[in-house]
Amino acid sequence: NAGVTQTPKFQVLKTGQSMTLQCAQDMNHEYMSWYRQDPGMGLRLIHYSVGAGITDQGEVPNGYNVSRSTTEDFPLRLLSAAPSQTSVYFCASSYSPRDRLYNEQFFGPGTRLTVL
Amino acid sequence: AQTVTQSQPEMSVQEAETVTLSCTYDTSESDYYLFWYKQPPSRQMILVIRQEAYKQQNATENRFSVNFQKAAKSFSLKISDSQLGDAAMYFCAYRGYTGANSKLTFGKGITLSVRP
Repeated sequence: NAGVTQTPKFQVLKTGQSMTLQCAQDMNHEYMSWYRQDPGMGLRLIHYSVGAGITDQGEVPNGYNVSRSTTEDFPLRLLSAAPSQTSVYFCASSYSPRDRLYNEQFFGPGTRLTVL
Repeated sequence: AQTVTQSQPEMSVQEAETVTLSCTYDTSESDYYLFWYKQPPSRQMILVIRQEAYKQQNATENRFSVNFQKAAKSFSLKISDSQLGDAAMYFCAYRGYTGANSKLTFGKGITLSVRP
């Protein structure tokens, strides 16, 4: 049971480049989310998904795309990287909050992205 | 929209002493979950404790306990017998029960240092 995995752990991009951050979970969780963490800002939600084929925007979605074709995978795409997207990115997964016993979110180890 | 406020950016505690981290939130929901997450320098997000709003009894996990005041919308974390390994950033988080409220909303975090 690997939990939530993210790749890569570190990435440096030039302004305008595109890339995909990978996220996978093996716990059969319906919910998956992407957050970014910036100093003094806490974790802010970028996009989330409540199941395969269903995604929605979070608090800071601009410049990012997601899709969810399988329960296990939830990639985050940066379309044209900008220095403002320099951040640490976390993927998380959980069961539905309707599951009263097991609804806490499990987090991946994070990806540190620098955009020059 | 739900908001979570952690007004103290930093706190310090002497080893073996007790410290309380404050958190307030705003919601119009009656059923929800509250969490405290710990983020050590390794960057990994670790669940410390969770509370369900419909339960009046305060949650406890070994040296960690909460003071949940639903009417006041307050959710503080008490760490007893503080240890050097407790030094980390701590995030308070809210999760609703249904629909768009089922997202996890974080406070900005508090950095806890432990003095030997």
